[in-house]
Amino acid sequence: AQSVAQPEDQVNVAEGNPLTVKCTYSVSGNPYLFWYVQYPNRGLQFLLKYITGDNLVKGSYGFEAEFNKSQTSFHLKKPSALVSDSALYFCAVDQENQGGKLIFGQGTELSVKP
Amino acid sequence: DADVTQTPRNRITKTGKRIMLECSQTKGHDRMYWYRQDPGLGLRLIYYSFDVKDINKGEISDGYSVSRQAQAKFSLSLESAIPNQTALYFCATSDNYNEQFFGPGTRLTVL
Repeated sequence: AQSVAQPEDQVNVAEGNPLTVKCTYSVSGNPYLFWYVQYPNRGLQFLLKYITGDNLVKGSYGFEAEFNKSQTSFHLKKPSALVSDSALYFCAVDQENQGGKLIFGQGTELSVKP
Repeated sequence: DADVTQTPRNRITKTGKRIMLECSQTKGHDRMYWYRQDPGLGLRLIYYSFDVKDINKGEISDGYSVSRQAQAKFSLSLESAIPNQTALYFCATSDNYNEQFFGPGTRLTVL
């Protein structure tokens, strides 16, 4: 069965420092991987995805993520955090040929302090 | 105008009542989804539809039903609401394997 784990409930970072939000996954076939962000009282917004190709994918708002097949990970990164990046981040996985049924991680609350 | 809209945005109801949550989209996508979000559990798929004639159960469909009235409309019903259905409900749409677009959510409280 497909699954996604976000091992940290909360990540705290100082503004200007690099940030990493971790995600590991388990699928039996080729994974389709996604990151979404949720701001308070809002729906989820798409950040980036990995389907195939280059392991480093770049997305919205300066975020990027690296697909690591051997470690079954898809960590979200940003070189320099902003206070406005503070939000709830979700990793999600779909499996090739499963037709868009996303399995979400439990979410990681990112807090960026000035 | 928002691409994916949900009504109502907030609803408080009592145990045993029938509730319908509605979702409309203007993105022209064939695929639509209903999720619920609970703190610490992420989002869980309730039902999904890949076209007007296609309805499928998700991970947690018990106690829920859906209707796909048109390509643009996908409704979620709670036939007899119970307190553990108190949650934030999201509708989403997608085009095949591309990213899903989410509505603003409906906060449902069942007393």
